[in-house]
Amino acid sequence: AQTVTQSQPEMSVQEAETVTLSCTYDTSESDYYLFWYKQPPSRQMILVIRQEAYKQQNATENRFSVNFQKAAKSFSLKISDSQLGDAAMYFCAYRIHIYQGGSEKLVFGKGTKLTVNP
Amino acid sequence: NAGVTQTPKFQVLKTGQSMTLQCAQDMNHEYMSWYRQDPGMGLRLIHYSVGAGITDQGEVPNGYNVSRSTTEDFPLRLLSAAPSQTSVYFCASKTGGRSGANVLTFGAGSRLTVL
Repeated sequence: AQTVTQSQPEMSVQEAETVTLSCTYDTSESDYYLFWYKQPPSRQMILVIRQEAYKQQNATENRFSVNFQKAAKSFSLKISDSQLGDAAMYFCAYRIHIYQGGSEKLVFGKGTKLTVNP
Repeated sequence: NAGVTQTPKFQVLKTGQSMTLQCAQDMNHEYMSWYRQDPGMGLRLIHYSVGAGITDQGEVPNGYNVSRSTTEDFPLRLLSAAPSQTSVYFCASKTGGRSGANVLTFGAGSRLTVL
């Protein structure tokens, strides 16, 4: 079964500090993609960062970066210089392709609620 | 360019009633999908479509029907609502293909309560 595990239901960080959110996944595929989504109280799902499994280099988007350990099936998100606006639920997701032609689905973890303290 | 538009944003139903959640996108995306989000859970795939006239089941399809008569629209139908279908529903779309650059664009969500 394809699963995504986020072991930290809640995390907190001081404004301007760094926090790391954990994610592990289970797959037998070699070609896949990993994502972190942010869901603020508005409940809009916002893509934070993506990682192609075939790329060894860790993805970075401004203050957000990942630590992708393919052999360990680990995909953690690091938020540097945390801001109040970073407070949200964060979901790790794994994309699998069902068959040729663009069919796919995202498998989501249960999320980590991040609180940013001023 | 409105992106993915879902209506209604909120709905309360009684058990056994039927309703349709509407989803429309104006980005000419081939792929469209419906997810549900329950408390303490991530999103789970209900149904998806890779193009007009083509639909398939996701992880939790029971109790839901879909159709895709146009590229733009992908409605989700609840034929006989049950309390277990109380959830927040998200529609999402993207261009076809396996490229990592093709990522889902989500609608704002529809909160459904079944009494």
